Amino acid sequence: SYELTQPPSVSVSPGQTARITCSGDALPKQYAYWYQQKPGQAPVLVIYKDSERPSGIPERFSGSSSGTTVTLTISGVQAEDEADYYCQSADSSGTYKVFGGGTKLTVL
Amino acid sequence: EVQLVESGGGLVKPGGSLRLSCAASGFTFSSYSMNWVRQAPGKGLEWVSSISSSSSYIYYADSVKGRFTISRDNAKNSLYLQMNSLRAEDTAVYYCARGYEGYCTNGVCPYYFDYWGQGTLVTVSS
Repeated sequence: SYELTQPPSVSVSPGQTARITCSGDALPKQYAYWYQQKPGQAPVLVIYKDSERPSGIPERFSGSSSGTTVTLTISGVQAEDEADYYCQSADSSGTYKVFGGGTKLTVL
Repeated sequence: EVQLVESGGGLVKPGGSLRLSCAASGFTFSSYSMNWVRQAPGKGLEWVSSISSSSSYIYYADSVKGRFTISRDNAKNSLYLQMNSLRAEDTAVYYCARGYEGYCTNGVCPYYFDYWGQGTLVTVSS
């Protein structure tokens, strides 16, 4: 079955830039999406179609894509950004949805 | 305001059955595909199943195929998940999530989960 690979954890100091990667063979053919999940809460969409930002999501969140890797970048990280982040995409047919394993962002 | 409210979770023995429901409001339910996504305790998100707006297209993850059945009632603005032959590894919070389908470009069709419920916990244990 198709898999998306994320690093388990990323740590940054407040004000620095955090980059979270997600790799998958079908990413050149399918869009990627990013969700933020804080403890005890449902996930929230922060990036769609690789690099688009939903309304209400701060400008410090951005996304990019290069080949089989997509990247979520959080510029000027704030303490409130500490959360788990999940990438999501689909297999090459687009039928089966898949999530990456998640990355815990720690703000030091 | 879009709202998705899950119900029906609880404790069930291995091999047992449970039916989850998701009540939707604040949007035209019959115009959107819907999904179930689960999260085992301390683990990541796992897509479980999708159903198209008219129930014409239904898909399942391999881990639940043949055991779970997704359905919807557009007249009642409700989504369901019938779970049979439950196993310990099905223990999770089950989220109902609306699917957003964008316009296809060069054969690539955007699809993501734009609204989520708060989830209902299913525990499979003897």
